[in-house]
Amino acid sequence: AQSVAQPEDQVNVAEGNPLTVKCTYSVSGNPYLFWYVQYPNRGLQFLLKYITGDNLVKGSYGFEAEFNKSQTSFHLKKPSALVSDSALYFCAVSPSTDSWGKLQFGAGTQVVVTP
Amino acid sequence: DSGVTQTPKHLITATGQRVTLRCSPRSGDLSVYWYQQSLDQGLQFLIQYYNGEERAKGNILERFSAQQFPDLHSELNLSSLELGDSALYFCASSSLARGSTDTQYFGPGTRLTVL
Repeated sequence: AQSVAQPEDQVNVAEGNPLTVKCTYSVSGNPYLFWYVQYPNRGLQFLLKYITGDNLVKGSYGFEAEFNKSQTSFHLKKPSALVSDSALYFCAVSPSTDSWGKLQFGAGTQVVVTP
Repeated sequence: DSGVTQTPKHLITATGQRVTLRCSPRSGDLSVYWYQQSLDQGLQFLIQYYNGEERAKGNILERFSAQQFPDLHSELNLSSLELGDSALYFCASSSLARGSTDTQYFGPGTRLTVL
């Protein structure tokens, strides 16, 4: 069975500093990995995904993520955080062995960016 | 705005009642997914439909059912409601039937409160 872990419930960072949100996964077969962000009282917004190819994936709003197969990780990064990046971030996996694409989500990481 | 719409935004009802949540996918998307977000269970996949047919089932209770209509909108029916069913229910859509790589776009959700 596949699983996704986000080891940090909350990440605090000062505006302008680098932001990293951690995600590790466990799946059979090749993983397809996704990052979503949820703002208060809003739905989930897609940020980026890794399917194959270059391990560094660039997404929306200046975010990027690095796929590391040996460490089974897919950490989300942003070089310079903004106060408006404060939100709940979810990592999700869909194993290649699952044809229908349902997503398994991590528990979420609350990001707080202070001015 | 993802292009996925959900109604109603909020629903307050009593235990034992039945409710229907509605979702309209993005234009052109044939797949619809339902997810439940609760504090104790996190984000969980419930069920997927493609072009009117059920394709995948997750942790969906027998008291819950769904369908997708010819115009591709979907409804999630929740019956014999219990306090523990209080949650945020999301609908997502994607364009492919079979595709773990396909991006799912989420609606704003329906917040269900069972009193």
